Amino acid sequence: GAGVSQSPSNKVTEKGKDVELRCDPISGHTALYWYRQSLGQGLEFLIYFQGNSAPDKSGLPSDRFSAERTGGSVSTLTIQRTQQEDSAVYLCASSLVGPEDTQYFGPGTRLTVL
Amino acid sequence: AQSVTQLGSHVSVSEGALVLLRCNYSSSVPPYLFWYVQYPNQGLQLLLKYTSAATLVKGINGFEAEFKKSETSFHLTKPSAHMSDAAEYFCAISNFGNEKLTFGTGTRLTIIP
Repeated sequence: GAGVSQSPSNKVTEKGKDVELRCDPISGHTALYWYRQSLGQGLEFLIYFQGNSAPDKSGLPSDRFSAERTGGSVSTLTIQRTQQEDSAVYLCASSLVGPEDTQYFGPGTRLTVL
Repeated sequence: AQSVTQLGSHVSVSEGALVLLRCNYSSSVPPYLFWYVQYPNQGLQLLLKYTSAATLVKGINGFEAEFKKSETSFHLTKPSAHMSDAAEYFCAISNFGNEKLTFGTGTRLTIIP
């Protein structure tokens, strides 16, 4: 498909387990973003990758959160030792180079931590 | 630092009436401004964006927004509401050196038949 895809669409896990969320950006987009949407916090930025530059990790809420982007394409967001407050919808977006370029969002992964 | 403020977490309008959703921004450098829409159980879709080319921006589904620097506003309007406009609307900002989107808290639009 031509859009941003994310997997899984839903993930239910137990507190303390690790989870991995995957994002496939639009082909040719050099910028990739992760956001989180939750009832209490709204839409918040997590991490930003741009080409081969060091990622902007300023939005990661704790060191339990990490992300990588392999080959400038697919990205994986990992949450270690999940907590109930991690329950949210995790959204991935991709865009061309600059801040004026439209960010195209994937459908999200709904994470539920029991 | 950059931020946006959306006044009114819930707005209700009658079908056929004017839609006005408010967004004010704060930015120390020229901003790029976006309106996204989120339909129930769906992802975010871009309605329109301001990138300094023109202050009046037209988007999809009959929506438009006007960038007013003097008022630091970027309000979203639609002349005549349709039932299909019921959704949540988010205003967002970015700029050079701060490429991530900073979102407002969202406005849920309800259309009254």
